[in-house]
Amino acid sequence: GAVVSQHPSRVICKSGTSVKIECRSLDFQATTMFWYRQFPKKSLMLMATSNEGSKATYEQGVEKDKFLINHASLTLSTLTVTSAHPEDSSFYICSAPRQGAGGYTFGSGTRLTVV
Amino acid sequence: LAKTTQPISMDSYEGQEVNITCSHNNIATNDYITWYQQFPSQGPRFIIQGYKTKVTNEVASLFIPADRKSSTLSLPRVSLSDTAVYYCLVEGQDNFNKFYFGSGTKLNVKP
Repeated sequence: GAVVSQHPSRVICKSGTSVKIECRSLDFQATTMFWYRQFPKKSLMLMATSNEGSKATYEQGVEKDKFLINHASLTLSTLTVTSAHPEDSSFYICSAPRQGAGGYTFGSGTRLTVV
Repeated sequence: LAKTTQPISMDSYEGQEVNITCSHNNIATNDYITWYQQFPSQGPRFIIQGYKTKVTNEVASLFIPADRKSSTLSLPRVSLSDTAVYYCLVEGQDNFNKFYFGSGTKLNVKP
């Protein structure tokens, strides 16, 4: 149980276009999800907290107008990278609290490459 | 939020027991200690969580001294497939508290 499905696993897009990444909780409801990005050989960096039915809260330095987060249902949170640029190329990962247990379960990640 | 400090990397050989220590000097009373494993190009995977003393599951043990300012993840008889980055996190009791990853420990298991 407590599986988080993230899609797509990898995406290549042209500079200036937008890309949407989905994160679904398959067998549980998640009122809160977290979005991270990770650069090669670096640790995960928290970008924002996604809250079902309300606005996401962003970490300092993360542009909310560039990284749009929508958490419209209890099982789906989306991250849209708008007007993507090569420097947005990274590994994006979502997570949700494990149900009935401590810790968090993570999606498999999305490798975004902007060309 | 409690900051964690871990060794950047460790080497081991197949079959050995590996102990990775994490320091978290400013851990709060309600905080739990959680360890995750991450393989390249994958999301982290939950390994174990504890509050005090010792916790054991099918893959690892977690040792936490009385002052809780550090913790040690113990992996018995590692194999090559245990080569990964291991993260120690301090998490609030409320699951909706956001948390931050430290640098992690890159474990290299050699044949």
